[in-house]
Amino acid sequence: AQKITQTQPGMFVQEKEAVTLDCTYDTSDPSYGLFWYKQPSSGEMIFLIYQGSYDQQNATEGRYSLNFQKARKSANLVISASQLGDSAMYFCAMSGNQFYFGTGTSLTVIP
Amino acid sequence: DSGVTQTPKHLITATGQRVTLRCSPRSGDLSVYWYQQSLDQGLQFLIQYYNGEERAKGNILERFSAQQFPDLHSELNLSSLELGDSALYFCASSVSSIDTEAFFGQGTRLTVV
Repeated sequence: AQKITQTQPGMFVQEKEAVTLDCTYDTSDPSYGLFWYKQPSSGEMIFLIYQGSYDQQNATEGRYSLNFQKARKSANLVISASQLGDSAMYFCAMSGNQFYFGTGTSLTVIP
Repeated sequence: DSGVTQTPKHLITATGQRVTLRCSPRSGDLSVYWYQQSLDQGLQFLIQYYNGEERAKGNILERFSAQQFPDLHSELNLSSLELGDSALYFCASSVSSIDTEAFFGQGTRLTVV
């Protein structure tokens, strides 16, 4: 069965520093996608980045990069140069016959 | 703006009532997913439709039902509402049913009083 695990309920980072949010997954499917979403306090779910299981290179989108280690089944999100507006809940997700979500990590950026 | 439209944004209703939540997917997206997000349960997958047909079912109560219409918009019907049904209900859409990102609507915040 597919499963996503986020072990960090809350994280703090200093403004302008980089931060890594952890995500591990479990699946027996040979092909899958890994995603990160941001949910600010306003409630909307914002798609950030996608990594396909067969992609050779780690995905990057602006200040977001996904550190994909297939053998370890991890898909950590790296946010570089943190900004105050990055304070939000972050969800890791995996595609299968549905989208499986982790429990989320609450990130607080400190000025 | 994700391109996914959910209406209404907020809904307050009494226990025992029935409500309908509506979702219009992004143009070209065939797959629609419904999720419930409550404080104690996190993001719970309810149901998925692909091109009008039910594709996958999650933890959806029997009091809840959904459908996807020929124009691909979807409705989630919640009946015999209970206080515990108060939550944020999200609709998401994607091009296909696997391996593509899903884009979320802004959600409908349902409060049952």
